[in-house]
Amino acid sequence: GAGVSQSPRYKVAKRGQDVALRCDPISGHVSLFWYQQALGQGPEFLTYFQNEAQLDKSGLPSDRFFAERPEGSVSTLKIQRTQQEDSAVYLCASSNEIGPWDEQYFGPGTRLTVT
Amino acid sequence: RKEVEQDPGPFNVPEGATVAFNCTYSNSASQSFFWYRQDCRKEPKLLMSVYSSGNEDGRFTAQLNRASQYISLLIRDSKLSDSATYLCVVSALNTGGFKTIFGAGTRLFVKA
Repeated sequence: GAGVSQSPRYKVAKRGQDVALRCDPISGHVSLFWYQQALGQGPEFLTYFQNEAQLDKSGLPSDRFFAERPEGSVSTLKIQRTQQEDSAVYLCASSNEIGPWDEQYFGPGTRLTVT
Repeated sequence: RKEVEQDPGPFNVPEGATVAFNCTYSNSASQSFFWYRQDCRKEPKLLMSVYSSGNEDGRFTAQLNRASQYISLLIRDSKLSDSATYLCVVSALNTGGFKTIFGAGTRLFVKA
């Protein structure tokens, strides 16, 4: 079946531009996660949705970062006024369960470069 | 101190070797533990969950020591295809549901 998809796969933004990154989770998956992965590091948690409810956004690095999942399926991560330190791979993952014990299925990521 | 710590490596081993990775975590309330594998420029994929009793999947064995708060992964008879970054992952319930913390990863290179 279809896995998690993300778009765009690559995005180059000039400093100060706004960007929107899309995630299509596996159909029916309740939980959705966003992570930021810098080069040579593990994924860093950004935010977590259970259906349409954003239950944890403690990992969002600043108020320039905003995520939504209005209908409990597709999610968008928006970054306003991008800065060079925002350059990273943004990974989306979904899970069939609402607890911490289930496998997370990752999308291929969006590689954001801010120039 | 990071919540999940791993030796970044790299570990360079010949084919057929046995290699072991350790990972320590700081949150004693952590409930679920995993090893994920990430190939270069690819997304992480689950390698195996880690259970208190320890578990084995072919050439891979995972162990959990709750008292010392560490997790291990043992790879026997290494193959060239095992070359990747291995990510230690810990999840814990919190007020917002639960949080998943990834280690920075341990790089493994298996050489012919």
